[in-house]
Amino acid sequence: GAGVSQTPSNKVTEKGKYVELRCDPISGHTALYWYRQSLGQGPEFLIYFQGTGAADDSGLPNDRFFAVRPEGSVSTLKIQRTERGDSAVYLCASSSSGTRNYYNEQFFGPGTRLTVL
Amino acid sequence: AQKVTQAQTEISVVEKEDVTLDCVYETRDTTYYLFWYKQPPSGELVFLIRRNSFDEQNEISGRYSWNFQKSTSSFNFTITASQVVDSAVYFCALYSSYKLIFGSGTRLLVRP
Repeated sequence: GAGVSQTPSNKVTEKGKYVELRCDPISGHTALYWYRQSLGQGPEFLIYFQGTGAADDSGLPNDRFFAVRPEGSVSTLKIQRTERGDSAVYLCASSSSGTRNYYNEQFFGPGTRLTVL
Repeated sequence: AQKVTQAQTEISVVEKEDVTLDCVYETRDTTYYLFWYKQPPSGELVFLIRRNSFDEQNEISGRYSWNFQKSTSSFNFTITASQVVDSAVYFCALYSSYKLIFGSGTRLLVRP
């Protein structure tokens, strides 16, 4: 079946603009994750959805970042008033439901490369 | 605190050399999982291995082997007889409270 898809693959925007990044998880996966990978770093957790609700948004860097998953499938990461420091690859992953200590494999999408000029 | 440290930023070897990538982790969880991922220049994350905290057996898969030692909180990765195609950034990661916590990665360059 299809893997995790993310659109757009590349996004160039100007400082101060608003952007939306989309993630289509694997069909049937109830858990969805957003990570951000800055240049030369490992991916950093942003937010985790279980179904429609954000179960853990502790990784969102500030209130300019927001994510939704209204129907428990597709998710959108929204960034307001973008800054040059937001430039990174934004990765989405999905998994079947796990527990706090029991891991269900997270399948990663190809990422969206965001460049803020 | 949950943390993964990859002290080696960059390693360069000549083809056919063996190379070991180090990973040290910190966690208070008694049940946890450790991972290695490969990120080639194309950018996608390629899953290599997962170990859980109850299984300290070392694992070998072809030219790859992993050494998990709870006593030193380490999960090291060895590539035997390296090849140019092994050139990539390698990430060690820890699963804790639903999220993956990645190290900063080790860039491996295998020269012909």
